[in-house]
Amino acid sequence: QKEVEQDPGPLSVPEGAIVSLNCTYSNSAFQYFMWYRQYSRKGPELLMYTYSSGNKEDGRFTAQVDKSSKYISLFIRDSQPSDSATYLCAMSARGSSNTGKLIFGQGTTLQVKP
Amino acid sequence: KAGVTQTPRYLIKTRGQQVTLSCSPISGHRSVSWYQQTPGQGLQFLFEYFSETQRNKGNFPGRFSGRQFSNSRSEMNVSTLELGDSALYLCASSSGLDPDTQYFGPGTRLTVL
Repeated sequence: QKEVEQDPGPLSVPEGAIVSLNCTYSNSAFQYFMWYRQYSRKGPELLMYTYSSGNKEDGRFTAQVDKSSKYISLFIRDSQPSDSATYLCAMSARGSSNTGKLIFGQGTTLQVKP
Repeated sequence: KAGVTQTPRYLIKTRGQQVTLSCSPISGHRSVSWYQQTPGQGLQFLFEYFSETQRNKGNFPGRFSGRQFSNSRSEMNVSTLELGDSALYLCASSSGLDPDTQYFGPGTRLTVL
């Protein structure tokens, strides 16, 4: 079993829809949670990060973390065709054996149709 | 601030050869992490360097190595290339403090023939 599970999709939605992207994890030591967006043939771009349970909002994006359920989500409101990309969740834990190391989900491919 | 840069962007090698990839972090960042991205395995951690010292290493064979220079620039080397080494190699830059966030470069696309 992988430490981080993410539905690869693809997920196709109409423009303006609310998108929900999710990851589950098994390692209770994970404390830092991030969402990256990756366009085709580009490097991942950091969208959101959070270090605690609860919600964090940034423009059209909301990141949600539920440590008790080991579940994180990213919501995109008023989705746009330019949001079409692969979304990767990433997590890390504290401690010397985890220094500089992010564990990624497989990524969810999102297509927003005009 | 300029972002993370990686060179070269594309590389084609044959089996048995070796390759060196370069990464320049964001100015002021002292930590560089390297990842391999493939369609089957996704993004996997290779190693992390901070102030010229390797602090952490992933589960890759010894053919994969790296180093960091005093200006925080980092290189990774893959010797005796195998077909399975074809991948996008990404480096990520961070301050190296805890907690921390990583910022990725555009990657080097390596094709092994």
